[in-house]
Amino acid sequence: DAGITQSPRHKVTETGTPVTLRCHQTENHRYMYWYRQDPGHGLRLIHYSYGVKDTDKGEVSDGYSVSRSKTEDFLLTLESATSSQTSVYFCACGGYRGTNTGELFFGEGSRLTVL
Amino acid sequence: KNEVEQSPQNLTAQEGEFITINCSYSVGISALHWLQQHPGGGIVSLFMLSSGKKKHGRLIATINIQEKHSSLHITASHPRDSAVYICAVSYNRDDKIIFGKGTRLHILP
Repeated sequence: DAGITQSPRHKVTETGTPVTLRCHQTENHRYMYWYRQDPGHGLRLIHYSYGVKDTDKGEVSDGYSVSRSKTEDFLLTLESATSSQTSVYFCACGGYRGTNTGELFFGEGSRLTVL
Repeated sequence: KNEVEQSPQNLTAQEGEFITINCSYSVGISALHWLQQHPGGGIVSLFMLSSGKKKHGRLIATINIQEKHSSLHITASHPRDSAVYICAVSYNRDDKIIFGKGTRLHILP
């Protein structure tokens, strides 16, 4: 158990509403990542964080924002959800001693449906 | 073009066969990860390597830094090995970890 929990695990919402997904870890990982997984695309990086208040964009960051005010929590926000953001979202953690080469650990995923 | 390419995309084999899944990448990396995802399931890390070879049970992962290529081998494959196998790389240039699209493996009994 890598101590990573995502919430909510399932959510159905309507177009235009804000949504926040939470990733919580208990292992003091420095690096945290948000990915989305879609058929035919695999896992695509949305945003990542390399420390408290240090975040950067990934491949598919448009329409998403993140915040990391504490080591243990990494929040992904959809300011105004669209149907194209229907997906399964995975949080990943890893990296030790100032590197990004530590083993990766994943949350169980959050399935978001935007109607 | 995806920076991390996996082949094959899909693979069906008979139980007991030797399986090879390939991963190639385009720029210098600090580490390469192999992961496994069972249908409807979570994602589990199998290996992290930056050089040479690692072995765990029937799974072997190798990497050739000069060729920018890695392989995942499964010996004496079993139906429970059926899953999606994903390659991911940590790039030297930044802290991003980028994934390949995965290889869907189906082992027939």
